[in-house]
Amino acid sequence: NAGVTQTPKFRILKIGQSMTLQCTQDMNHNYMYWYRQDPGMGLKLIYYSVGAGITDKGEVPNGYNVSRSTTEDFPLRLELAAPSQTSVYFCASRVGGWGGDQPQHFGDGTRLSIL
Amino acid sequence: AQSVTQLDSHVSVSEGTPVLLRCNYSSSYSPSLFWYVQHPNKGLQLLLKYTSAATLVKGINGFEAEFKKSETSFHLTKPSAHMSDAAEYFCVVISRGGQNFVFGPGTRLSVLP
Repeated sequence: NAGVTQTPKFRILKIGQSMTLQCTQDMNHNYMYWYRQDPGMGLKLIYYSVGAGITDKGEVPNGYNVSRSTTEDFPLRLELAAPSQTSVYFCASRVGGWGGDQPQHFGDGTRLSIL
Repeated sequence: AQSVTQLDSHVSVSEGTPVLLRCNYSSSYSPSLFWYVQHPNKGLQLLLKYTSAATLVKGINGFEAEFKKSETSFHLTKPSAHMSDAAEYFCVVISRGGQNFVFGPGTRLSVLP
């Protein structure tokens, strides 16, 4: 069972370039999340989705876009890369539903540097 | 709104001694709380969760945490540290409705030989 898979693991971008971070899960989870992790700051929520076709902004959505056309995939798009977007990006998924006692399952992250 | 405070950014212990990682939360209702561990260059792994059942929660690798409503705390403990416990630990509270997870800033645990 692969769980949550993120690609690529590492990437270096130039300022102004665009790219898509891929995330796929094989657990049939309806909730999926994108976070960024900066040193000493914990994880900040960028976007989340409660099911295919439904997405919503998190705490730090500016400069990013997402789509959720299938249950399995939740790609994160950077349109005009900026140095402030240098970070480690994590995708997570979980079984959804009211109550919130189901934990998130995380991928291993994508390390992105913008130069 | 929910929030999480982890009182120590870095804790250093000797191998074989007890571990205490402190977490305080703020929530306007009875929350669900989690502890996650992150080893270097890895994603986050669930250690344990509290969801309004028993206040003392046992997790993996010998860790446990006690929910104290009167103190709004959910501290993580382990009787005897092992070298493999060296990692970053995150305390997490769930937002109302269970859609979003609010992460603390993390505590880095170092284990000295």
